[in-house]
Order: sequence, then structure tokens, then C-alpha cells
Amino acid sequence: DTGVSQDPRHKITKRGQNVTFRCDPISEHNRLYWYRQTLGQGPEFLTYFQNEAQLEKSRLLSDRFSAERPKGSFSTLEIQRTEQGDSAMYLCASSLGGHGGELFFGEGSRLTVL
Amino acid sequence: KNEVEQSPQNLTAQEGEFITINCSYSVGISALHWLQQHPGGGIVSLFMLSSGKKKHGRLIATINIQEKHSSLHITASHPRDSAVYICALHTGGGSNYKLTFGKGTLLTVNP
Repeated sequence: DTGVSQDPRHKITKRGQNVTFRCDPISEHNRLYWYRQTLGQGPEFLTYFQNEAQLEKSRLLSDRFSAERPKGSFSTLEIQRTEQGDSAMYLCASSLGGHGGELFFGEGSRLTVL
Repeated sequence: KNEVEQSPQNLTAQEGEFITINCSYSVGISALHWLQQHPGGGIVSLFMLSSGKKKHGRLIATINIQEKHSSLHITASHPRDSAVYICALHTGGGSNYKLTFGKGTLLTVNP
């Protein structure tokens, strides 16, 4: 297993378009996290899955954002009707259950909304 | 007040210097992470601490739960250590918890 992978690595889109990012966690990891990072800032929590259940969502995740993890393996993050303010790096991380398990991050998907 | 504060925000050092990056927090935590982020985005977990001290190569991380403070030390710094170092907190307990990140410390080590 080569770790957490994210696709695409870079996405440039026009305002108003929909985009979808995919995250493949480390195979045995049951926990999956999405974060967003803008330039010069630390990552901000978006949402968290344990297996297929979405257990927590940040208030940052507006109605235009939706995340799924249908079979408890890979996850998708969709942004509808993108806005310029959505431009950011979207990071995925996974961990194995237990209390505060070590996190493994993907390389991130950079979104630029024109 | 942010739940987690890092200092300094920016740090420039000469190769070989001993470096300390600090993280102070104001909430109860179950664990604290030190993360390294290189330009381009990839994040690597360096340490996860809930008490005491951990060492890995030239990196040392300490945490004082009572004082709500953690430090990351780099001995004999090298230009390849140049990166953003981020402190992140696990808050809450049970199966529902999230990470709260600091804004990071940009370290530049000059040859």
C-alpha cells in the first residue's frame, strides 16, 4: 500500500462549475478526514468518517459541499456551483481506529476557481 | 483567542543550529500532533504525543499537559528541514473527535 492517495492533484475550474475530489485511504484505516487549507493558514477541519458513517461536519461545509464514503473505503468530496472562495488545497487523511490514532495525509487536491 | 497558538510564525536559521518551535493550547486534549508540510502541500506526521517526550532522529517533541504546552526541537538543523511545522490537537473523546490545527511555523534553514 502506498499510502493515502488523492485525485486529481490539481483542478482549475470556472466559477459555477461542479468539482469532485476523490480520496483513497490506507486500506485498513477506518477513519477518514477531509480538511481545507488556504494560503498561509493551517488546515481547517471539514468532515470526518468512521467507516461509511459521516460522524461530524464543520460549519465550513456549506450546502454546496457534500462528502460520501459509500463502502467505508474511498471517499468523495463534491463542491457544487463553485465560488472563487472555494479555491484552496483539499487534504484527506486517514487513521486506524483507537484513541487519537496516527494520521496519514494525502498529497492534497489543489482547487483553483477562476 | 485561538485554541492553539504557535510561535514563532517564521523562523530563519543557519545550518547546524538548534531549533525550537512552540505550541500552546487552551483546551483539553487527548493527543497532540506535530506535522511537517513541504511546499506543494504534502503533510507528514512527525509525532503524536499524549505525554512526556518522543525522539526520532534529530527531532524531539515534548509536551507538558499541565501547562498546555508542547515544543518541537530540531538538533543540527539542515536545509532539508525547511518546511512548515504544524501543531494539531485532538480534542474530544470517544469515537467523535476532530483535529484543530495551528497556523504553522515556517522554518527556513540556510546553508
